[in-house]
Amino acid sequence: AQSVTQLDSHVSVSEGTPVLLRCNYSSSYSPSLFWYVQHPNKGLQLLLKYTSAATLVKGINGFEAEFKKSETSFHLTKPSAHMSDAAEYFCVVSEPTGGFKTIFGAGTRLFVKA
Amino acid sequence: DGGITQSPKYLFRKEGQNVTLSCEQNLNHDAMYWYRQDPGQGLRLIYYSQIVNDFQKGDIAEGYSVSREKKESFPLTVTSAQKNPTAFYLCASSIVLTGKSNQPQHFGDGTRLSIL
Repeated sequence: AQSVTQLDSHVSVSEGTPVLLRCNYSSSYSPSLFWYVQHPNKGLQLLLKYTSAATLVKGINGFEAEFKKSETSFHLTKPSAHMSDAAEYFCVVSEPTGGFKTIFGAGTRLFVKA
Repeated sequence: DGGITQSPKYLFRKEGQNVTLSCEQNLNHDAMYWYRQDPGQGLRLIYYSQIVNDFQKGDIAEGYSVSREKKESFPLTVTSAQKNPTAFYLCASSIVLTGKSNQPQHFGDGTRLSIL
């Protein structure tokens, strides 16, 4: 069965330090994987997507994610956090079944300390 | 610029009242979606539509209704049958139905619905 687990509900980092947001997934197919960011009272904005091309995916605002099939993981990283990165982040998995099989993770709230 | 417009941003409902949330897109996308977001939870799918005059129930469709008479519009009605409607509602669209391709969804800025 398809599922997605964001391993941390909250992550707190200091400005200028690395960010790691963890996502594990389960899928019977070769899924597409996405990371979205949501600022308060806003919609979700696409950060990056994995679609079976390169396993290391670069996104906007300096974020990147690495697809590791053996670990069924798609963790999001950024070398240096900025105050403006404080937001909620969602990992999303979509299966190519021809229908609609997309599941959102529960989200990880990122706090950035000055 | 192309995008998705949701209105109103804030909406208040009295008990027993139906309310309609608007969602308009000018991205020329075929597929549209409605999600509900509650604090501390991920997004839950209410309805989706992959083409005009067609829509399907999602995971939590009870107490909600939709229509898709035009490609660019996908309004959501929260009926009095929805007993706990207070939530943040997000509309999204994609070129084609996610799952038929690797195309991501694009989101509006949401409508926050509260009960008076």
